[in-house]
Order: sequence, then C-alpha cells, then structure tokens
Amino acid sequence: GNSVTQMEGPVTLSEEAFLTINCTYTATGYPSLFWYVQYPGEGLQLLLKATKADDKGSNKGFEATYRKETTSFHLEKGSVQVSDSAVYFCAVGYSTLTFGKGTMLLVSP
Amino acid sequence: DTAVSQTPKYLVTQMGNDKSIKCEQNLGHDTMYWYKQDSKKFLKIMFSYNNKELIINETVPNRFSPKSPDKAHLNLHINSLELGDSAVYFCASSQDSFTGTENEQFFGPGTRLTVL
Repeated sequence: GNSVTQMEGPVTLSEEAFLTINCTYTATGYPSLFWYVQYPGEGLQLLLKATKADDKGSNKGFEATYRKETTSFHLEKGSVQVSDSAVYFCAVGYSTLTFGKGTMLLVSP
Repeated sequence: DTAVSQTPKYLVTQMGNDKSIKCEQNLGHDTMYWYKQDSKKFLKIMFSYNNKELIINETVPNRFSPKSPDKAHLNLHINSLELGDSAVYFCASSQDSFTGTENEQFFGPGTRLTVL
C-alpha cells in the first residue's frame, strides 16, 4: 500500500520566516498528492494538490511541486504569518488517501 | 451552507455505553468516509462507503459499525465503548472515489469523543 512520511514537528518559526515541511511518499504508479491543513478545533481543509509529475500546486502563498524522481512533495511558503499556525498533512492516493502523521507549525509574532 | 456536518460536536460518555455519531453531506458526493484522529493528530481511515455500499473496512474492532441510509448520510455506531476509543472522529466525502480519478475529500468539523 501507499505510505507517507512527514517531518516531525512542531516546527516553530517567527513571523515572516521561510517555511519548508518535508513530505516523501511511496506508491505505485502516478498517484495524486495533496496538502491538507487543520486549524485548531476544526476539520481538515485542502490547501493544495498536484496530479502529475512536475505539477506545482499553490494556494495562499503555499507551494509544493510533485517530484516523481525523489518521490517528494515538500510544502513551502516564503513568509509565514501567525495565522498559518496549524497542523499540516501530506496525503497521497488515487481515490482513498493515505495521510502522513501531520506536522504542527507554530508561528510567533 | 455547511458542506459536511457532524453531530454531536462533543460526546462524553461512560465505558460500556453505546453511542452514535451522525454525518451528512450536501455536496452530492458518491463516497463518504470515517477517520479516527488520536491525541497525537495521527489520522487513520476506518471506513469508506460508495453509494451506500461498504468499500473499505480497515482493521477496526467490530464494535464499530457504519450505517449509510442514503448517499448523503454515513453514521457511525459504537458499542461497548472503551477508554481507547477516545479520539476525534472525522467524516469526509468525495465526488467519486473509484474511477481512478483524483478527487478532493471534504471533511466535517469532527466529533470529540471522550470515554470516562
């Protein structure tokens, strides 16, 4: 089956710092890749996605590129805000999704 | 309008009791899911239903039984609750999970279950 490995958190940054959350996956074929975000007390929301190799997903200043050769989908943002504090989940799949364990991001003013 | 809704939002109960969590989606989706999220935020799929039929049933105790009265609803019944069942349970839905096309899952707000 598929699997996803995310860097462990929490990741603690100051406002306006650069963010990278690493995600690597194992899967057969060419699955779609997703980043979901969970704000405190809420359910998961789709942040961005990519459906084929070299695609770049982007939303709200976040970006991630589907790298088939390194089986990675790292999440980046150039300048984080306090409001970005949340748990971020990487996921892989065609239909049923396999989620990583989540990475908590804490941004301080 | 809420896309995926769950009730109740909080559920506190004693060990050994039987309880239900309800989920409804108004997106017209074909597939619905139940996930369990533990205290470390690890998210694990429990069940998946496509057009009222059970498709995925991960290694879950048979005390957990999903029921789908129609395509828009997927309820979760839990019998003989145990301490280890304490978690946040999320319902989700997607357009069509089994045609090989990628699709986004929409999550409900979660139900926090506490077993005392």
